[in-house]
Amino acid sequence: AQSVTQPDIHITVSEGASLELRCNYSYGATPYLFWYVQSPGQGLQLLLKYFSGDTLVQGIKGFEAEFKRSQSSFNLRKPSVHWSDAAEYFCAVGGRSGGSNYKLTFGKGTLLTVNP
Amino acid sequence: DGGITQSPKYLFRKEGQNVTLSCEQNLNHDAMYWYRQDPGQGLRLIYYSQIVNDFQKGDIAEGYSVSREKKESFPLTVTSAQKNPTAFYLCASSIDNRGRYSNQPQHFGDGTRLSIL
Repeated sequence: AQSVTQPDIHITVSEGASLELRCNYSYGATPYLFWYVQSPGQGLQLLLKYFSGDTLVQGIKGFEAEFKRSQSSFNLRKPSVHWSDAAEYFCAVGGRSGGSNYKLTFGKGTLLTVNP
Repeated sequence: DGGITQSPKYLFRKEGQNVTLSCEQNLNHDAMYWYRQDPGQGLRLIYYSQIVNDFQKGDIAEGYSVSREKKESFPLTVTSAQKNPTAFYLCASSIDNRGRYSNQPQHFGDGTRLSIL
């Protein structure tokens, strides 16, 4: 079965500092990987996705993520955090589970607080 | 603009009552999904539908029911059998996930927050 672990429940950074959010996945084949962001009381917005090819993917809002197969990781990074980046971030792995049906499995999220 | 509309934004349920959450999309997506979100739990899949008139149970389907009579609509009913319905419910859709488009991301609505009176 596929699974996602986000080891950090809550991270606090200062505005302008760099950011790295960790994501580890478990999946038997080549995974499809996603990062989503959620502002309070809102739905999820797709930041970026990895399907194949270049292991460093660029997303919206200045975010990037690197797929490392040997470490089963897909960490999200941003070189300089803005106060508007404060939100909850979810990593997800997509794949076929229990037969032919495709599903997304989400991590439990990392809440990002940005200090001025 | 294309998107997913969930209504109402807030909903209150009395004991023994069934309530229905609406989800409509104009993205022409084939697949639609319902998730439940609880604090610290991430998103858990309730039901999903890949085509009209067909749907499958997700990981936590007990106490919920759905229908898919139209491509654009995928309403979720929270029945009285769901003893802990208080949560944030999210609807999502994607291009068909059965074939070569199986890596398509899901697009989300803004959610409905359900509480017990």
